Amino acid sequence: QVQLVESGGGLVKPGGSLRLSCAASGFTLSDYYMSWVRQAPGKGLEWISYIRSSGDDIFYADSVKGRFTISRDSAKNSLYLQMNSLRGEDTAVYYCARTMLRAPGTIDYWGQGTLVTVSS
Amino acid sequence: DIVMTQSPDSLAVSLGERATINCKSSQSVLYSSNNRNYLAWYQQKPGQPPKLLLYWASTRESGVPDRFSGSGSGTDFTLTISSLQADDVAVYYCQQYYTTLWTFGQGTKVEIK
Repeated sequence: QVQLVESGGGLVKPGGSLRLSCAASGFTLSDYYMSWVRQAPGKGLEWISYIRSSGDDIFYADSVKGRFTISRDSAKNSLYLQMNSLRGEDTAVYYCARTMLRAPGTIDYWGQGTLVTVSS
Repeated sequence: DIVMTQSPDSLAVSLGERATINCKSSQSVLYSSNNRNYLAWYQQKPGQPPKLLLYWASTRESGVPDRFSGSGSGTDFTLTISSLQADDVAVYYCQQYYTTLWTFGQGTKVEIK
């Protein structure tokens, strides 16, 4: 059974850093494109980053490029998001997500999300 | 980046009636080499992560009721709920994956009239 469990969210001051983790089970994470999607309180979905199965191709939304870094650890079957220079507008629930093999880019499994609050 | 614009922002439909949601992309998401539209639809209920409904614009994900259908090509797409059920109250999002920078529509809230 596929499961994605995020952790690492919390309250951080503007300019601070946070590292989110996503533990995957029921599949081999490195076989899939893996993504982070966020949702600000009461707002819509915003894709922010993904890493292809090759591990060599990584993409970021303009809103986080240069501040956030996605990575994975195959041995731990886990995905990470290092978030630096955090701003108030980064406050959101962050979802770890897996894309389909037959339709890369289509998200077939989502975690429950972890809340990041950026506030002084 | 491709901008995805949904309409309406919200709609109220009577139980058993049809609900139609539109999604327009700022450029075509049809890949000519395989004739596929790189567009997906998701449903999100309060307090839950999104759920995949359709991909390739019209292919239903396993387990999704057949009252959900998708149509359209190029830049204009539609999600149709043929007979609205109480369980369908949710926010619906379209998403393009044609480019390396994926984008979502702003969402459409569906309620019971």
